[in-house]
Amino acid sequence: QVQLVESGGGLVKPGGSLRLSCEASGFTFSDYYMSWIRQAPGKGLEWVSYIDRSSDYTNYADAVKGRFTISRDNAKNSLYLQMNSLRVEDTALYYCARVSGYCSGGSCYPGDWGQGTLVTVTS
Amino acid sequence: EIVMTQSPATLSVSPGERATLSCRASQSISSNLAWYQQKPGQAPRLLIYGASTRATGIPARFSGSGSGTEFTLTISSLQSEDFAVYYCQQYNNWPPWTFGQGTKVEIK
Repeated sequence: QVQLVESGGGLVKPGGSLRLSCEASGFTFSDYYMSWIRQAPGKGLEWVSYIDRSSDYTNYADAVKGRFTISRDNAKNSLYLQMNSLRVEDTALYYCARVSGYCSGGSCYPGDWGQGTLVTVTS
Repeated sequence: EIVMTQSPATLSVSPGERATLSCRASQSISSNLAWYQQKPGQAPRLLIYGASTRATGIPARFSGSGSGTEFTLTISSLQSEDFAVYYCQQYNNWPPWTFGQGTKVEIK
């Protein structure tokens, strides 16, 4: 079955950096778009970024554009999120998600989610 | 950016009763809507996509309806394991995907 395991979260000061990882198994990783979605403590869900199958196309929420970089290594079945210039408001549980549907046709959504990794930004 | 608005914020329901959750989009999203269930300490789980298609393994007591700007998730007979927070999400105009703020279904 689909398994997504995030890691790399932790405590960091404002202005600091972290790199999140998501190790995928149970499916052909290179066949799927992937995404990061976050959830601040006690709050709702916020899409962060996604990447296409071959890393040709990425996109970011305005709140993280220019600070976060999504990438993937299909040989390692892994998704990454490099987070720089972190802010207090970036504190959240970060979920890795496999995208379902037909993104090339404009109709896709997060289908399977990992358990998340917690990022806490505090001075 | 499309704004998704869910109502009510909290729904108190007795086990075995029907629950009806609403989701409204700020502009038409056709049927490009998904519903997710999130229990405390767990990741969201996809319930419905395409506004009305149940995801794999989702019980038939969950049903979705609507198109355009108005959508409904119905749980026909609430089981103890259904008490959770439910989110709607549009994927018609993206990026960004946008989520509603959630409806908490609690035991009455």
